[in-house]
Amino acid sequence: EVQLVESGGGLVKPGGSLRLSCEASGFIFSGAWMSWVRQAPGKGLEWVGRIKSKSDGETTEYAAPVKGRFTVSRDDSKNTLSLQMNSLKTEDTAVYYCTTGSVLSGFLFDYWGQGTLVSVSS
Amino acid sequence: DIVMTQSPDSLAVSLGERATINCKSSQSVLYSSNNKNYLAWYQQKPGQPPKLLIYWASTRESGVPERFSGSGSGTDFTLTISSLQAEDVAVYSCQQHYTTPHFGQGTKVEIK
Repeated sequence: EVQLVESGGGLVKPGGSLRLSCEASGFIFSGAWMSWVRQAPGKGLEWVGRIKSKSDGETTEYAAPVKGRFTVSRDDSKNTLSLQMNSLKTEDTAVYYCTTGSVLSGFLFDYWGQGTLVSVSS
Repeated sequence: DIVMTQSPDSLAVSLGERATINCKSSQSVLYSSNNKNYLAWYQQKPGQPPKLLIYWASTRESGVPERFSGSGSGTDFTLTISSLQAEDVAVYSCQQHYTTPHFGQGTKVEIK
């Protein structure tokens, strides 16, 4: 059974930093393309960033609102995906979900974690 | 960027009746080389993460009840729940995965 468990969320002041983690199990993590998707309170879903597998170059891509501030990384030895968030803004307040990209299409999200809440406020 | 717009924002349907949600993309999401529409639908129940329901615009994910169906091509798509059940109360979102992904704003389905 695929499991994705996010952690690391919390309250942080504007301009601060936070690092989210996602522990994966039940599938071959090293071969998976992984994404972070967020959802602001009462709002729709927004893709944040993606990292491909090592065999596909571990290439990363980011949404425009977070490019240059957020970094997606992976540790295949620990089956863990990370999201380093710097220079946080109030508009980054959201539940952050870890997702797997389907083998059918990398931006098709077939498994989701339960999410972790990030609140950016002074 | 290909932007997705859903309508309506919410709808209330009686149990056993049909629910229809529309989704429009700002550009075609039909990939000519494989003739597939890169359009997915997700269901999100209160307090839960989204769940993939349909991909390639009309292919149901494993385990998804047959009352859920997707249709459309190019820029216009529809999700239909043929006979609404109580457990279908949720927010439904479309998403294009043709390019950098974008989700529709979501449609809240309630019981009338």
